[in-house]
Formats: sequence, structure tokens, C-alpha cells
Amino acid sequence: GENVEQHPSTLSVQEGDSAVIKCTYSDSASNYFPWYKQELGKRPQLIIDIRSNVGEKKDQRIAVTLNKTAKHFSLHITETQPEDSAVYFCAARGGRGGSNYKLTFGKGTLLTVNP
Amino acid sequence: NAGVTQTPKFQVLKTGQSMTLQCAQDMNHEYMSWYRQDPGMGLRLIHYSVGAGITDQGEVPNGYNVSRSTTEDFPLRLLSAAPSQTSVYFCASSKTGTGQYEQYFGPGTRLTVT
Repeated sequence: GENVEQHPSTLSVQEGDSAVIKCTYSDSASNYFPWYKQELGKRPQLIIDIRSNVGEKKDQRIAVTLNKTAKHFSLHITETQPEDSAVYFCAARGGRGGSNYKLTFGKGTLLTVNP
Repeated sequence: NAGVTQTPKFQVLKTGQSMTLQCAQDMNHEYMSWYRQDPGMGLRLIHYSVGAGITDQGEVPNGYNVSRSTTEDFPLRLLSAAPSQTSVYFCASSKTGTGQYEQYFGPGTRLTVT
């Protein structure tokens, strides 16, 4: 099955700096790559996603890049703010048969933005 | 729309007890799934369903049963609770059509097994 690796597991930055989180996946048939943000005690919420026919997507301070050949994708947050502090999860959705709606998640990155 | 709802929010069980975690969605989503979240382990898929009457196992299905008799509901049953099942459980749903990708999560159930 799909395997998603996420790095780093913790990331501490100063307010205003950029943060980058990287993920790799194993199944070349995966076709959808979302990023979720989870604040303490809350549910994961989608912040941005990218499909396999797109190389980059941007939404204000957040961007995601995808390299299908290398099977990796990254989340970029610019001008970080204290409210960006949370756990971020990457995920990959498989493209094979009846299980192609399953999401496989990375283990998460705890981002701390210091004022 | 209420979105994805889960009950209860918190539960404490003794080893060997059984219980059902409830999940419902009002978005007419075909796909529903259950995850467990443990520190440092991310979200691991327990069971999933692509429609009423259809269920399948995820990554960590042992000790759990599911059924899907309606589009709206997807309960998760713990047959004989064990301390290893102490976790936060999330239900999620999405549509299955072309271009319909986003999974929506419920608020979670925090389960402690003593």
C-alpha cells in the first residue's frame, strides 16, 4: 500500500520567517495530495491541496509544490504568524481500484512560530 | 449543514467492555472512514466505506467492526476494548465523483480504556 514519509517532525521558526515541510510518497498512482492543519484539541482541517496534473498551487501565504517524478511534495508557509502554530499533516490519495479514495497520512510536523 | 458529527466526545471504558462510536454526515457523501490518532503516529485508517453496504479494512482494523446501512451513518464498534485502543478517533467523509476530493473530519472522540 501507500507509504507517506514527512519531515521534519518538529519545526520552530521566528515570526515572519518561512517554514517548509516535506513529504515523500511511494505509490506512483497517487493523484491527490492534501495538507491538513490541526490545532490542539481540534479536528484536522484542509488548508491546501494539489492534484497530480499540477506542479504548484498557491493560496496567499501558503503554497504547495509537487514533483511527480521524484514522488515528493512540499508545503511552504511564508511570513509565518503565531496563529500558524499547529500540527501539519500531509497525505496522499491512492489511484488504484476501489481503494482510490483512501488517504494515507504522514506522521505530522509540529510547527511552532515564536513571536 | 451540521457536516460530520461524532458521539460521544469522551468515553472511558474498562478492558473487555464493548461500545459503539457514532458518526453521521449530512452532506450526502458516499465515502466515509474512521481513523485513530496516537501521539507521533499521525492518522491511521481503521475502516472505510465507499457506499451503503460496502466496507473494507484500512491499515489497523483489528479489534474494530463497522457497518454501513445508510449513506449518512458509519458506526465503529469496539468488540472487547483493550488499553491499546486508547486513542482519539476521527470519522471523515468525502464525495467520490471526479474532482470531488476533500475529506471533512468530525470533531473526534477521545477514548480511554483502563
